[in-house]
Amino acid sequence: AQSVTQPDIHITVSEGASLELRCNYSYGATPYLFWYVQSPGQGLQLLLKYFSGDTLVQGIKGFEAEFKRSQSSFNLRKPSVHWSDAAEYFCAVGATNDYKLSFGAGTTVTVRA
Amino acid sequence: DTEVTQTPKHLVMGMTNKKSLKCEQHMGHRAMYWYKQKAKKPPELMFVYSYEKLSINESVPSRFSPECPNSSLLNLHLHALQPEDSALYLCASSPTSARGEETQYFGPGTRLLVL
Repeated sequence: AQSVTQPDIHITVSEGASLELRCNYSYGATPYLFWYVQSPGQGLQLLLKYFSGDTLVQGIKGFEAEFKRSQSSFNLRKPSVHWSDAAEYFCAVGATNDYKLSFGAGTTVTVRA
Repeated sequence: DTEVTQTPKHLVMGMTNKKSLKCEQHMGHRAMYWYKQKAKKPPELMFVYSYEKLSINESVPSRFSPECPNSSLLNLHLHALQPEDSALYLCASSPTSARGEETQYFGPGTRLLVL
């Protein structure tokens, strides 16, 4: 079965600084990878996804992620963080032979002025 | 339009009450999901409906009863809940079926408090 690890529980970043959130997955075949963001008390919003093709994926709100098969990683980046980016971020992996999305534990991002 | 709506936003109920959560999507999606999410945790899958039939029940207690009246609507009926059932309940949908390559779109959730 597939699984996801998000090594960083909490990251604090200054407004205007760059942000990188780590995601490592475990799956034998090509995974289907997703990043979701959840603002406090809200549902999950899809930021971006990777299925195949170009390994650098652009998403909404200025986010991008890079799929690196050799490192089993799908890290999320943003060049310049805004205060509104403070939220919980979840990486998830899906597999063709499984109905279930496997979520990482999440990374909480705090943005300081 | 990738919107999933959920009502109510907040719900407070006693352990003897019966209440229902409602989820609606008008994207033509044929798979719909219920998740439970505790604070600071990822969502946990509860039920999956595919083409209006219950296809997955993740060993959820019978005090939670899902219903899919039509392809756009998903309900979760609640009865005799326990305080530990207090959580954010999320609905999601995906285009055709519950498979890993399907993108799931989530609603804003219902915050449930059981007293």
